Amino acid sequence: DADVTQTPRNRITKTGKRIMLECSQTKGHDRMYWYRQDPGLGLRLIYYSFDVKDINKGEISDGYSVSRQAQAKFSLSLESAIPNQTALYFCATSDIRPGLAGGWQETQYFGPGTRLLVL
Amino acid sequence: DQQVKQNSPSLSVQEGRISILNCDYTNSMFDYFLWYKKYPAEGPTFLISISSIKDKNEDGRFTVFLNKSAKHLSLHIVPSQPGDSAVYFCAARATTSGTYKYIFGTGTRLKVLA
Repeated sequence: DADVTQTPRNRITKTGKRIMLECSQTKGHDRMYWYRQDPGLGLRLIYYSFDVKDINKGEISDGYSVSRQAQAKFSLSLESAIPNQTALYFCATSDIRPGLAGGWQETQYFGPGTRLLVL
Repeated sequence: DQQVKQNSPSLSVQEGRISILNCDYTNSMFDYFLWYKKYPAEGPTFLISISSIKDKNEDGRFTVFLNKSAKHLSLHIVPSQPGDSAVYFCAARATTSGTYKYIFGTGTRLKVLA
């Protein structure tokens, strides 16, 4: 079973519609993230959450909102979808552990992605 | 302004040879660097990372080198295998004054020829 799951995997919607993308994880991690990927660009961070009561904006949060319903669930909403939100969306979790050379090492684990098309 | 750049969109290497993927960055505040591999229709998978206090980290066939003075990161895969064919992303983390972000490069598509 996948540790990080995303639903739906594919979605087509119309401009102005509200949609929600859901992410669930079974890894027991406190930290969760939402990214989008566009052709020719790297992954860009939309929102992140370090625990259930902690929500933070990433570099491209405009037009999006999130909800951390539980440690295992982090959903991304587009309140009024627009065509330039057409992209591939990834959810991720991460854990933090001591690094071998001191400091802290963080590893992110990504879901399979949701392909969203806004017409 | 692309703070993390992967200038080679694609790379082809013969099986058994070394693959070298490169990444350049501009922000001296980055304190942690990672490489991810991505297959089609899957999410990125963590490969290897390196802290800014180190200049090399090795894990099996994968070695990451960090040259802070040149702001350059590279991933070496030796020997390359056909299963290594994928898109590789480098990423850098900046943690300053309570802000926190990962910046990803645009990816390099590696093709290992049998």
